[in-house]
Amino acid sequence: KAGVTQTPRYLIKTRGQQVTLSCSPISGHRSVSWYQQTPGQGLQFLFEYFSETQRNKGNFPGRFSGRQFSNSRSEMNVSTLELGDSALYLCASSLELDYYEQYFGPGTRLTVT
Amino acid sequence: KNEVEQSPQNLTAQEGEFITINCSYSVGISALHWLQQHPGGGIVSLFMLSSGKKKHGRLIATINIQEKHSSLHITASHPRDSAVYICAVSGDSGGSNYKLTFGKGTLLTVNP
Repeated sequence: KAGVTQTPRYLIKTRGQQVTLSCSPISGHRSVSWYQQTPGQGLQFLFEYFSETQRNKGNFPGRFSGRQFSNSRSEMNVSTLELGDSALYLCASSLELDYYEQYFGPGTRLTVT
Repeated sequence: KNEVEQSPQNLTAQEGEFITINCSYSVGISALHWLQQHPGGGIVSLFMLSSGKKKHGRLIATINIQEKHSSLHITASHPRDSAVYICAVSGDSGGSNYKLTFGKGTLLTVNP
């Protein structure tokens, strides 16, 4: 079975731009979660999607949004980029919501200049 | 105070040594996860446990729900074990039932 894939792997944007990141979960997995990792804050939960619905959201501003499609693929969008948005963005998929092992993708490294 | 605390932050060991990484949490949980992250970013889930003990090869994870504490042990450590080990909890944390809350990680370096 193919693992979780994320595209693109690397991205450079300038302040004020917007960006869309994509995540394809493991086949059959219905839950996708997104995380941000920075040297200062470590790993932080962004949001979780299940059956095309956002089930949980972390403490991030409204500039961060996402969606999930009927095939469970997910995208996250960050609008009006700030320097502090530079981070590794990871997605993880699991079979169902809660109490299921999460499988992480390789991440998208976003640099905002 | 972070909801998930790990110790030590950094750990250097010689090949073959027995290693223990500790994790304490302050909230109710449904499960605790141990993750491994190698340089470059990829994260691998090592264990997910809600009680007792699990073993996989040279790795052992234990959890004490009453004490709100978990340990990750590595027996006969090897340089390829060098990585960041992250403890995370899922469950009723800050009002969300399902999100993972992460510790800051433990950087393990195993020298040959």
